[in-house]
Amino acid sequence: LAKTTQPISMDSYEGQEVNITCSHNNIATNDYITWYQQFPSQGPRFIIQGYKTKVTNEVASLFIPADRKSSTLSLPRVSLSDTAVYYCLVVSENRDDKIIFGKGTRLHILP
Amino acid sequence: DADVTQTPRNRITKTGKRIMLECSQTKGHDRMYWYRQDPGLGLRLIYYSFDVKDINKGEISDGYSVSRQAQAKFSLSLESAIPNQTALYFCATSDPYGLAGADTQYFGPGTRLTVL
Repeated sequence: LAKTTQPISMDSYEGQEVNITCSHNNIATNDYITWYQQFPSQGPRFIIQGYKTKVTNEVASLFIPADRKSSTLSLPRVSLSDTAVYYCLVVSENRDDKIIFGKGTRLHILP
Repeated sequence: DADVTQTPRNRITKTGKRIMLECSQTKGHDRMYWYRQDPGLGLRLIYYSFDVKDINKGEISDGYSVSRQAQAKFSLSLESAIPNQTALYFCATSDPYGLAGADTQYFGPGTRLTVL
């Protein structure tokens, strides 16, 4: 299972676009990249998943370059309520391996 | 996710006591997981089960045991609780081929356990 590396913490301001980058150098050909969001004292919540290029939903966008060794979660026009921990994971296409969350990136949005 | 419930939500116990945390789900998923969360350490996987007859150790299984009583129920036991098992415990389920994405996990509200 590919190991992921992401910044421990980030600060930004309300109204800004926030980009959180994750590296996964050993990603396998058929692995998916998945991001979760966790608010204090709550369980993580799925945000977005992608395989290549760009995926967008109502919450975020996920950008994956051609070599797939990294990915960037983009949160448009953040608000204070986006303050949370964001986890980048790699999920095997075979779905036969455990999922490791790691420490995530603690995003703090300032007014 | 309201379809994944955990009991109790909070528990204070003493060193050496046996504790059981319970998880139930109505999502119909075969896969279930137990995680613990400590401040600054993210989520760490304790045990996971891909179906009723399949149970596997995660990253930190020492001092814990589990029981998968049915597809909908997955219990975590601390046979003899110790203070460094004080943490927030989460149960989760997943559907490997769910519409939301490959193996998307759905979490319960958590159980805050304090071992004195």
